[in-house]
Amino acid sequence: ETGVTQSPTHLIKTRGQQVTLRCSSQSGHNTVSWYQQALGQGPQFIFQYYREEENGRGNFPPRFSGLQFPNYSSELNVNALELDDSALYLCASSKTRIDEQFFGPGTRLTVL
Amino acid sequence: AQTVTQSQPEMSVQEAETVTLSCTYDTSESDYYLFWYKQPPSRQMILVIRQEAYKQQNATENRFSVNFQKAAKSFSLKISDSQLGDAAMYFCAYRIRDDKIIFGKGTRLHILP
Repeated sequence: ETGVTQSPTHLIKTRGQQVTLRCSSQSGHNTVSWYQQALGQGPQFIFQYYREEENGRGNFPPRFSGLQFPNYSSELNVNALELDDSALYLCASSKTRIDEQFFGPGTRLTVL
Repeated sequence: AQTVTQSQPEMSVQEAETVTLSCTYDTSESDYYLFWYKQPPSRQMILVIRQEAYKQQNATENRFSVNFQKAAKSFSLKISDSQLGDAAMYFCAYRIRDDKIIFGKGTRLHILP
């Protein structure tokens, strides 16, 4: 059984650019959650997708948006990148909204 | 507001010894879940142990156990017979049903050989 995978592993962008991060959920999982982990901090919830619909959102501006596809993989898009967006972005998938979340290895985004 | 507080930014323990990591949380809910996650340098967040608030019995997973004090809103993690592979960031976390997971700021655990 393949676990949660994320791509790319690392990414460097400049301020003002746009970025797309990808997450493949574990087989049989229909829910994907995204978290932002700034250096030295715990992860902070961005949003969750359940069966292709957004199901809850944290305190992040609208320039953070997402998608979930019919195969339950997901994308996180960030527009107009700011320096403070530099962080590790974690994706987690679960069988349903209430089940255990399994995390991917994350994408390290650096904004210059 | 729901918050999770880990008051120990860093801790060290001698290999084979026992260490306890502290966590307190704030909530007005009665039904929730508590977790301890481990994040090694590889960055992958791994679930160590989970506790349902309605269960009075403390959860255990091999060398890992918790002390869950619901009235005090305290949820500490005890690691017995510490091993070099236990070195990592440990995050205490809280969740209500299908809501988001709220994490603490973490405790970095060093294992001294």
